[in-house]
Amino acid sequence: DIQMTQSPASLSASLEEIVTITCQASQDIGNWLAWYQQKPGKSPQLLIYGATSLADGVPSRFSGSRSGTQYSLKISRLQVEDIGIYYCLQAYSAPLTFGSGTKLEIK
Amino acid sequence: EVQLVESGGGLVKPGSSLKLSCVASGFTFSSYGMHWIRQAPKKGLEWIALIYYDSSNKYYADSVKGRFTISRDNSKNTLYLEMNSLRSEDTAMYYCAKGTGSAEDYWGQGVMVTVSS
Repeated sequence: DIQMTQSPASLSASLEEIVTITCQASQDIGNWLAWYQQKPGKSPQLLIYGATSLADGVPSRFSGSRSGTQYSLKISRLQVEDIGIYYCLQAYSAPLTFGSGTKLEIK
Repeated sequence: EVQLVESGGGLVKPGSSLKLSCVASGFTFSSYGMHWIRQAPKKGLEWIALIYYDSSNKYYADSVKGRFTISRDNSKNTLYLEMNSLRSEDTAMYYCAKGTGSAEDYWGQGVMVTVSS
């Protein structure tokens, strides 16, 4: 099974700051990587698919990148509505696997 | 508008069975693979099962293999998850989802399953 190692586990940042979350895949998954945001009591919402493509309706301050088997989610100017928990997901092969999550707070 | 509505959750005792349903609308259900994903209280997301659009292939997480069965009825636009030999660690919010990880990703609101004596 493919393991997704996500870091950091938690992150506190100031408004307008640049934030980066990473996921390391245990093997090649190509661009089969998605990022989700989850707010309390809500279903996860897709932010990025195909490692770098922005989902419909997602603000352009969110972006995804890939370097080999390392994937990153960047928030270019943190806003208060960005607080929540972020997860990566590899959709390359079953069993699909999520990262352990990153809790993002405002400093 | 895409809708996925889960039902069938509740409080059950360890060792018992439960069957979840997910009714889909707003898209061509029979064209999409469908997933079940769960989240234990205060924990992360766990993918648990996938069924192809035509039921030709099914995949499971090791944690549920042999106990849970995913199925679908395309004539009723409904996805199912039959859960047997339930354990306390199966306590979670269960989500059905389509197009997981793709541009057509969509999740239901979830249904809670609590396994407790």
